[in-house]
Amino acid sequence: DAGVTQSPTHLIKTRGQQVTLRCSPKSGHDTVSWYQQALGQGPQFIFQYYEEEERQRGNFPDRFSGHQFPNYSSELNVNALLLGDSALYLCASSRPGSSYNEQFFGPGTRLTVL
Amino acid sequence: AQSVTQLGSHVSVSEGALVLLRCNYSSSVPPYLFWYVQYPNQGLQLLLKYTTGATLVKGINGFEAEFKKSETSFHLTKPSAHMSDAAEYFCAVGSGNTPLVFGKGTRLSVIA
Repeated sequence: DAGVTQSPTHLIKTRGQQVTLRCSPKSGHDTVSWYQQALGQGPQFIFQYYEEEERQRGNFPDRFSGHQFPNYSSELNVNALLLGDSALYLCASSRPGSSYNEQFFGPGTRLTVL
Repeated sequence: AQSVTQLGSHVSVSEGALVLLRCNYSSSVPPYLFWYVQYPNQGLQLLLKYTTGATLVKGINGFEAEFKKSETSFHLTKPSAHMSDAAEYFCAVGSGNTPLVFGKGTRLSVIA
């Protein structure tokens, strides 16, 4: 049983560019959450997707957007990249009804903005 | 609002010694509390969680934590450290249907 998978593993972009990160949830999970983990910090909640809609959102600007597909996979899009967007982006999935109590995290995508 | 404070960004112990990682939380509603471990270049792995019921929670790899409401604490302990315990540890607070709020993490080093 594959766990949460994320792609790509690493990504280098320049300021002003746009980026798309992808996440496939653990089998049987229908809810996907995205977190940003800056260097030396704990993860910060960006948003959560359920039934293809954004259900909750953290304190992140509109440059951060997402999407969930019918197969429950998800994308995180970041527009107009800033140097401060450099971080590890983590995807977490949870099974129906468990929301944040039983989240399984993927290995993350390391984004570097130059 | 909820918040977490992890005391000590870096803790160093000898192999076989007691591990104690401190976590204090703030929450206006009954909290759910979590400890996660992160190994280099990996995602987060859940060690243990407290939602309701017994306040002493046992997790994987010999770790346990005790929820103390009066002290607003949820410290993580392990009786005997192993080299493989070296990692970053994160405490987090939630309340079931709200996103987790993480602390800044504590890096555990184990000295042979």
